[in-house]
Amino acid sequence: KQEVTQIPAALSVPEGENLVLNCSFTDSAIYNLQWFRQDPGKGLTSLLLIQSSQREQTSGRLNASLDKSSGRSTLYIAASQPGDSATYLCAVRWDNQGGKLIFGQGTELSVKP
Amino acid sequence: NAGVTQTPKFRVLKTGQSMTLLCAQDMNHEYMYWYRQDPGMGLRLIHYSVGEGTTAKGEVPDGYNVSRLKKQNFLLGLESAAPSQTSVYFCASSYGIGVMQYFGPGTRLTVT
Repeated sequence: KQEVTQIPAALSVPEGENLVLNCSFTDSAIYNLQWFRQDPGKGLTSLLLIQSSQREQTSGRLNASLDKSSGRSTLYIAASQPGDSATYLCAVRWDNQGGKLIFGQGTELSVKP
Repeated sequence: NAGVTQTPKFRVLKTGQSMTLLCAQDMNHEYMYWYRQDPGMGLRLIHYSVGEGTTAKGEVPDGYNVSRLKKQNFLLGLESAAPSQTSVYFCASSYGIGVMQYFGPGTRLTVT
């Protein structure tokens, strides 16, 4: 079964720290992987999309990497800020037809001032 | 450019009632999706559409119907609401398959 797992479920760090969020997936034959941010009571904001042929994508202080062979992706956040506090979701697309995304449960990040 | 919008934002239904959730996007996207988000279950795909006039089932389609009569709109219907359908519903759209999906703000539905 195609599944996406994010560990830990929650993470608390002091402001200024660099941190890594983890995403693992079964079945390495993915089409692409997307990272989202969700603020409490809000919708999802797309952060980064990595195609299966890519190793990493960067946007500002965010860097997402992909290692298909090990079934892992990481989201690196540099110099964390209290405004980064949110739940981060990883989602994988395995098919190239309907574009169905399978989501992980998310990591709830809290950055303390 | 409003992006993806959802109507209504909140709704309370009694068991057996029906309702329609409306999703609209102004980005000229071909693909549209309906997800539900539940504690401990994450986001799961209900139905999706790859273009005007087309719909397809996702992971959890039972109890829901959809229609895509216009490219910019994707409707999700509950014919006879059940307490198990209490959830937050998100609509999303994308230009194609290999690109980002953009999400609406969600509809919080409670069925009593």
